[in-house]
Amino acid sequence: DTEVTQTPKHLVMGMTNKKSLKCEQHMGHRAMYWYKQKAKKPPELMFVYSYEKLSINESVPSRFSPECPNSSLLNLHLHALQPEDSALYLCASSQDQWGNQETQYFGPGTRLLVL
Amino acid sequence: EDKVVQSPLSLVVHEGDTVTLNCSYEVTNFRSLLWYKQEKKAPTFLFMLTSSGIEKKSGRLSSILDKKELFSILNITATQTGDSAIYLCAVGIYNQGGKLIFGQGTELSVKP
Repeated sequence: DTEVTQTPKHLVMGMTNKKSLKCEQHMGHRAMYWYKQKAKKPPELMFVYSYEKLSINESVPSRFSPECPNSSLLNLHLHALQPEDSALYLCASSQDQWGNQETQYFGPGTRLLVL
Repeated sequence: EDKVVQSPLSLVVHEGDTVTLNCSYEVTNFRSLLWYKQEKKAPTFLFMLTSSGIEKKSGRLSSILDKKELFSILNITATQTGDSAIYLCAVGIYNQGGKLIFGQGTELSVKP
């Protein structure tokens, strides 16, 4: 089973709203990732969690706040977003961040629209 | 600067055709090269390549890596309309903590 699940599938929010995206995997993976993908572009890495600790932050604005409550769950808290933040947000996981088994498996994504 | 370039950027073929997608890279500390297929949403993992010259195969899809010339190809034989998708190539790098460098993708359209 290589399934990563994400909720919600779609989200529309205003610039003053606070919302959260959720990601879950039950593969025993210890690395989890958030990506942002704009139309016709490849995914761009935002954050990496390794063993529930933030390992990489790709200079993401503070209006995006990641959280890893346990090894299976990853959240992305959103606050005061801008319309240009509208995109597909993808979660991925891999067995390990630093080892050789770094194949990343992606979830279906949350399509976010900021009005 | 680490770079992954895919070609062509888009391709239109007819069912039954064979296609070859290209991915070239210039990175320091190469670890692996991955191919993904992306339809409407999530990129779906196809192959991970780490060694030169060893072909990986899954049904009508196959891929090979050339670490001397710094490229990989993805072949799809007897294409079907269900193969229509964006194919993404990504390179993993040692000491970058799982970060993947993605190419721009090749958009493949298979016409009936």
